[in-house]
Amino acid sequence: KQEVTQIPAALSVPEGENLVLNCSFTDSAIYNLQWFRQDPGKGLTSLLLIQSSQREQTSGRLNASLDKSSGRSTLYIAASQPGDSATYLCAVIQGGYNKLIFGAGTRLAVHP
Amino acid sequence: DAGITQSPRHKVTETGTPVTLRCHQTENHRYMYWYRQDPGHGLRLIHYSYGVKDTDKGEVSDGYSVSRSKTEDFLLTLESATSSQTSVYFCAIGLRSEETQYFGPGTRLLVL
Repeated sequence: KQEVTQIPAALSVPEGENLVLNCSFTDSAIYNLQWFRQDPGKGLTSLLLIQSSQREQTSGRLNASLDKSSGRSTLYIAASQPGDSATYLCAVIQGGYNKLIFGAGTRLAVHP
Repeated sequence: DAGITQSPRHKVTETGTPVTLRCHQTENHRYMYWYRQDPGHGLRLIHYSYGVKDTDKGEVSDGYSVSRSKTEDFLLTLESATSSQTSVYFCAIGLRSEETQYFGPGTRLLVL
């Protein structure tokens, strides 16, 4: 059974720091991996999607990498801002019908 | 934002009563999903649909049933609500397999 783990569970950093969020998964047979953002009391917003054949994806200050063989992904946030404060969720797709398997998330707080 | 609405947004009910949550989309997406989110567990898939009247179970389907009689509506029913079903329920839609999903705003359900 696929298990997705995110470390750390919570992170508090000062504004301007570069930071790395980690995601690991136990079964490397995945179709893709996605990173989502969730603001308190809100739904999820997709940030980056990495296909299994890709190594990384970039969007603005965000960069996500994927190493399928080791079962790891990292989300790099450059020059963090208070507006980046949210919970970041990692999810993999395995099997048909695009079913997502989520990690428990990393709660990020960026303070001025 | 993708056109996804969930109703009700908040509900308080008593143990043993039936509850139906509705997900409505205006995007004509083929795939629809119901997830629940609990502290420490991330999101877990309850049921999903890959077309009208085509549904299947997810990871945590016990105590839940679903129906999809039209492309735009996906209903989640708790036949006899229990306190363990207190959670936040999210609906999601997807156009094609291996692509990102779009999430609704969620329904907070409290079972007393």
